[in-house]
Amino acid sequence: GEDVEQSLFLSVREGDSSVINCTYTDSSSTYLYWYKQEPGAGLQLLTYIFSNMDMKQDQRLTVLLNKKDKHLSLRIADTQTGDSAIYFCAENIPSGSARQLTFGSGTQLTVLP
Amino acid sequence: KAGVTQTPRYLIKTRGQQVTLSCSPISGHRSVSWYQQTPGQGLQFLFEYFSETQRNKGNFPGRFSGRQFSNSRSEMNVSTLELGDSALYLCASSYGKDTQYFGPGTRLTVL
Repeated sequence: GEDVEQSLFLSVREGDSSVINCTYTDSSSTYLYWYKQEPGAGLQLLTYIFSNMDMKQDQRLTVLLNKKDKHLSLRIADTQTGDSAIYFCAENIPSGSARQLTFGSGTQLTVLP
Repeated sequence: KAGVTQTPRYLIKTRGQQVTLSCSPISGHRSVSWYQQTPGQGLQFLFEYFSETQRNKGNFPGRFSGRQFSNSRSEMNVSTLELGDSALYLCASSYGKDTQYFGPGTRLTVL
């Protein structure tokens, strides 16, 4: 089966940049996503990147994709305490007309004042 | 547009009972997917419905079932509940093959 891997924890100081890394295994993935989950809540879509792109920037968020190494990263600039949450990367593996997201285990980001 | 809504938000059941969870997708979205989130297994895909047809299913026992109505609203049912079914059940909707947007989830506790 396909696996998506992330480190479990990341701690940064307020105002610093955070970089959350993810590796995936299925080269047929079409889209790769970053979701954010706050305590007791569902998943909030942060951003996504199509597999033929190398980089995507959206305000404080920068996504980098290295397709050769199957490596995805999310950089959050000027990290704030409100960014403390669990971040999930996910890949969309096409299967005919069906779709299914495979998620990593999530990275718990803690922002220290 | 209103987001994905799920009802109920919290549910407590006992072993052996059955439960039905409901999901209303974003207006215009025809695809609804269900995921189970547990501390041990993380986020796992249950099934996807599109135009009232199940078009993809994850690796879960037959106790887990679902359906979709003509208005795209979806329900999932779990019969003969087990302690291990305690989880956050998340519903996501999308327009065709596009990005999935998630609801707040239903927290199911099985005692």
